[in-house]
Amino acid sequence: GIQVEQSPPDLILQEGANSTLRCNFSDSVNNLQWFHQNPWGQLINLFYIPSGTKQNGRLSATTVATERYSLLYISSSQTTDSGVYFCAVGPYSSASKIIFGSGTRLSIRP
Amino acid sequence: NAGVMQNPRHLVRRRGQEARLRCSPMKGHSHVYWYRQLPEEGLKFMVYLQKENIIDESGMPKERFSAEFPKEGPSILRIQQVVRGDSAAYFCASSPGGVEQFFGPGTRLTVL
Repeated sequence: GIQVEQSPPDLILQEGANSTLRCNFSDSVNNLQWFHQNPWGQLINLFYIPSGTKQNGRLSATTVATERYSLLYISSSQTTDSGVYFCAVGPYSSASKIIFGSGTRLSIRP
Repeated sequence: NAGVMQNPRHLVRRRGQEARLRCSPMKGHSHVYWYRQLPEEGLKFMVYLQKENIIDESGMPKERFSAEFPKEGPSILRIQQVVRGDSAAYFCASSPGGVEQFFGPGTRLTVL
């Protein structure tokens, strides 16, 4: 089945710093989503981005489907950005399940 | 438009009891998915349902677990004779057309 790898696994930054999170996947996809799981365990949809670039405030994402990777950019980090960021992909062979990566744990220090 | 709703948010069961987890999808969404998250891990797919039909249950354990999405009412994930290894967060997601998924707040199951 499709493999999803996220890097780095852990990231510690000072408030105000910028960061780039990476998601590599091993096969063609028809769905790619980025989520933020906050310290209370809630999963928050950030982007639905199977290809192209999107921006939402301080966050932006780019997926290069032909090269099988996606990047999540966080600018001017705030302590509320802390948590785990997951990338999840939906393989072309299935219109149903999405496969999650193991996540990047981001800690923003004040 | 209310988001995906799950209840209960926390559930404690003793070994051997049954656990019933409920999920109400977003309005207009007819596709429901269940995922399980073990401590310190990512989410793993369990089952995909549309109204009254199981479409993909490739991630469901073969025994003790079942899911349904009746014509009326919420989707139910049922775990019979729970064991300590079933302790996890169970997330439900819904979709209007089978691609982008929207997640509920999860049910945290603790088995004593």
